[in-house]
Amino acid sequence: KAGVTQTPRYLIKTRGQQVTLSCSPISGHRSVSWYQQTPGQGLQFLFEYFSETQRNKGNFPGRFSGRQFSNSRSEMNVSTLELGDSALYLCASSPGQPYNEQFFGPGTRLTVL
Amino acid sequence: ILNVEQSPQSLHVQEGDSTNFTCSFPSSNFYALHWYRWETAKSPEALFVMTLNGDEKKKGRISATLNTKEGYSYLYIKGSQPEDSATYLCALILTGGGNKLTFGTGTQLKVEL
Repeated sequence: KAGVTQTPRYLIKTRGQQVTLSCSPISGHRSVSWYQQTPGQGLQFLFEYFSETQRNKGNFPGRFSGRQFSNSRSEMNVSTLELGDSALYLCASSPGQPYNEQFFGPGTRLTVL
Repeated sequence: ILNVEQSPQSLHVQEGDSTNFTCSFPSSNFYALHWYRWETAKSPEALFVMTLNGDEKKKGRISATLNTKEGYSYLYIKGSQPEDSATYLCALILTGGGNKLTFGTGTQLKVEL
């Protein structure tokens, strides 16, 4: 069974630009969650999509958005990038219940200059 | 703000030592507690998902217990090996929170020969 894949793995952008990150979950998983990891804040929840609907949202500004497609693949978009958006972005896939294990992808390392 | 606390922050042990870490969380609206192991340059790997008060789970040399009434979970590693070196994270899911994981800051374990 293929694992969770994320593309791209590394990305360098400049302030003010926008970026789109992609996550392909494990086949059959309907839930995709996104997390931001920074040295100072640890792993912070961004949002979760389940069957193409946003089910939960964390405390991030509206510049952070996402969507999920009918094949459960998910994208995350960050507009008007700021230096503080530099982070590792992880996605996690699961069948959808809170008692299910969540499987993390390798992450996208975003650097904003 | 939901506080999930882990202690100690870091730990150095010798090969063969047994060790344990603590995860503390608010006991209200508890649904599930997840434990992850995160090795450098890899993705977080699910260890356990625990939902019931008194739950005990075991995987090889690693085991975990859960006390939802007092709001804590312990992770034990018996006979630590260098390959156990990693950051161990606990994450809480609340009732009605979907798949939103609120992570603790982790315990960094280093096992030395």
